[in-house]
Amino acid sequence: SQTIHQWPATLVQPVGSPLSLECTVEGTSNPNLYWYRQAAGRGLQLLFYSVGIGQISSEVPQNLSASRPQDRQFILSSKKLLLSDSGFYLCASNLLGGGEQYFGPGTRLTVT
Amino acid sequence: QKEVEQNSGPLSVPEGAIASLNCTYSDRGSQSFFWYRQYSGKSPELIMSIYSNGDKEDGRFTAQLNKASQYVSLLIRDSQPSDSATYLCAVNPAAGGSYIPTFGRGTSLIVHP
Repeated sequence: SQTIHQWPATLVQPVGSPLSLECTVEGTSNPNLYWYRQAAGRGLQLLFYSVGIGQISSEVPQNLSASRPQDRQFILSSKKLLLSDSGFYLCASNLLGGGEQYFGPGTRLTVT
Repeated sequence: QKEVEQNSGPLSVPEGAIASLNCTYSDRGSQSFFWYRQYSGKSPELIMSIYSNGDKEDGRFTAQLNKASQYVSLLIRDSQPSDSATYLCAVNPAAGGSYIPTFGRGTSLIVHP
């Protein structure tokens, strides 16, 4: 079975600072990878998804970017954080051809 | 625009009762359907998947799918306080490819002793 790791678990950053969140997946190869954000009391917002190395699709234009330098590594970045970037960031994976998504433990980001 | 609708709740049931959670979706061609449980402050956890019309049972959980009416439901029998969480419904669109599910905003379930 696959395991998804995310770090850091929590992060407090000032407005205008950069961001890098990392997600790695174990136990599978060539997964589809996803970044979601969940604001307090809100639903899941899909930010990016990737079907392979270097292949990134953006769902919501904003000051965030994503990269997939390796098959099982997915990185979420920002050059300058906004207050509205606060939220619970979740990395998810599903096997190619499968519909089930599995989520990592998440990173809780607070922008001050 | 694909939509998945859930009553936000909270749905409050006594311990031992059956909790019934419902979800409707707009994309008639949707192929696969999922229920996730999310405890407060934690990430969603997949608990049920269903692909064809009818019922699918797994322990105390039963997922029900009716594609003609475009709804999927989750029944939790013998509800326990530990079942108190937000339940997210997710629907995958028709056809293969990148599998971008649409999530509902979730229903909050409270099971009181």
